[in-house]
Amino acid sequence: DGGITQSPKYLFRKEGQNVTLSCEQNLNHDAMYWYRQDPGQGLRLIYYSQIVNDFQKGDIAEGYSVSREKKESFPLTVTSAQKNPTAFYLCASSADIAAYEQYFGPGTRLTVT
Amino acid sequence: ILNVEQSPQSLHVQEGDSTNFTCSFPSSNFYALHWYRWETAKSPEALFVMTLNGDEKKKGRISATLNTKEGYSYLYIKGSQPEDSATYLCAFPDTGGFKTIFGAGTRLFVKA
Repeated sequence: DGGITQSPKYLFRKEGQNVTLSCEQNLNHDAMYWYRQDPGQGLRLIYYSQIVNDFQKGDIAEGYSVSREKKESFPLTVTSAQKNPTAFYLCASSADIAAYEQYFGPGTRLTVT
Repeated sequence: ILNVEQSPQSLHVQEGDSTNFTCSFPSSNFYALHWYRWETAKSPEALFVMTLNGDEKKKGRISATLNTKEGYSYLYIKGSQPEDSATYLCAFPDTGGFKTIFGAGTRLFVKA
C-alpha cells in the first residue's frame, strides 16, 4: 500500500533537547511538507520541499530544520531554539504542484517539558 | 500572509439534516482550492480539488461549489450521517502553488 508514515506517534522530550521527527512516503511524490497544528488553529506550514536536495521555509520555520536527501524522506528536527515546540506535527506529500491534493501521514504529537 | 477563513467554527446537527459551511479566500491570484476531511485519530483526506470558477464537485452526499471572483467556496452535506462527523478543512495554495494556507476548519458533529 502506498502512503506516508510518520514515527513515532507520540514523543516526549525535555526542554533544551533537539528531536527529529521522521516522515517517509512511497507515493513517488516530488513535493513534501511539514505542518504544525495547535488547538483552535489551522495547519501552519513549517517547511516544504519541491524536489530532492531543495527545501524552502514556510510561515513558521524558526527553530526547525529539515533535510531532503532522498525523495521518499523528509525528516524534521525541532531544535532547542523553538520556543514552544509542544504541538501536533503532520507531514504531507503531493505530486509536483499544489493543484494536486496532499496526502497526509498520521502525525506525531510532541510534548516538551 | 494570506488568510483563509472558515465558518462556522463548529456545527452540531441531527442525523438526516443537510448542512453547509463556507470557506473564504483571497480572490486575487487564484490557483486552486482544496477541501479535506479530517476524522478524529485519522489523517486528513482530500475531498475535492477545485480550480475553475463555477466548479461544482460531488462525492456521494458531499458536494462543493466555487466562486473565484468573490473568493468563497461552499461545502454541502446532504442527509448528514454520524460517520460524517469530522473537521472539514479548506486550503488555498498561494501564487506559485507550493505554500498552501489552511483554514482553521469547521468541526461537524452529527448526532444519531
